Amino acid sequence: GAGVSQTPSNKVTEKGKYVELRCDPISGHTALYWYRQSLGQGPEFLIYFQGTGAADDSGLPNDRFFAVRPEGSVSTLKIQRTERGDSAVYLCASSWDPPNSPLHFGNGTRLTVT
Amino acid sequence: AQSVTQPDIHITVSEGASLELRCNYSYGATPYLFWYVQSPGQGLQLLLKYFSGDTLVQGIKGFEAEFKRSQSSFNLRKPSVHWSDAAEYFCATSDSWGKLQFGAGTQVVVTP
Repeated sequence: GAGVSQTPSNKVTEKGKYVELRCDPISGHTALYWYRQSLGQGPEFLIYFQGTGAADDSGLPNDRFFAVRPEGSVSTLKIQRTERGDSAVYLCASSWDPPNSPLHFGNGTRLTVT
Repeated sequence: AQSVTQPDIHITVSEGASLELRCNYSYGATPYLFWYVQSPGQGLQLLLKYFSGDTLVQGIKGFEAEFKRSQSSFNLRKPSVHWSDAAEYFCATSDSWGKLQFGAGTQVVVTP
């Protein structure tokens, strides 16, 4: 069966540009999470969706970061005016009944800001 | 607020030897605790989890973990490691929404 799919797998962009990162969760999973993993660190929570709404966006570092999930399935993480410090692996995870059912993680999008 | 500490950044172990990875948590109530493994180029995979009940939890790939409330610990163990166990291991705690708080990770190197 299909797992969590993230596209692109790699993205290189110039400082100041806008980027979009996409996450296709496992079909039927209502909960969707975005995490950011910097080199040598554990993943850090960014935002959590339950259905279409953002239930918890406390991890978004600033207002340059925004995420949507308009139909309760695919989600897009949007970063405006990218900075070199945004370089990291962005991970998406989904679950159908958290925390009782596990989070399934995608392989991530490696973002490099030059 | 919940938090997780993994004291060991890096561990080297010989193939066939036992492995123990340490994890300490800070949480007000009974925690949801997890161990994940991340291999190069692969996503995070759940090894095991603890919510309640038996404090010794069995997971996949021959791993087990023991919850010790008195020590605020949830250490991961494997009796005999294989070369394929070389990876990064993350301990995590979760709130009731499933939001995971990860430790910094322990890199495991397996030598022949």
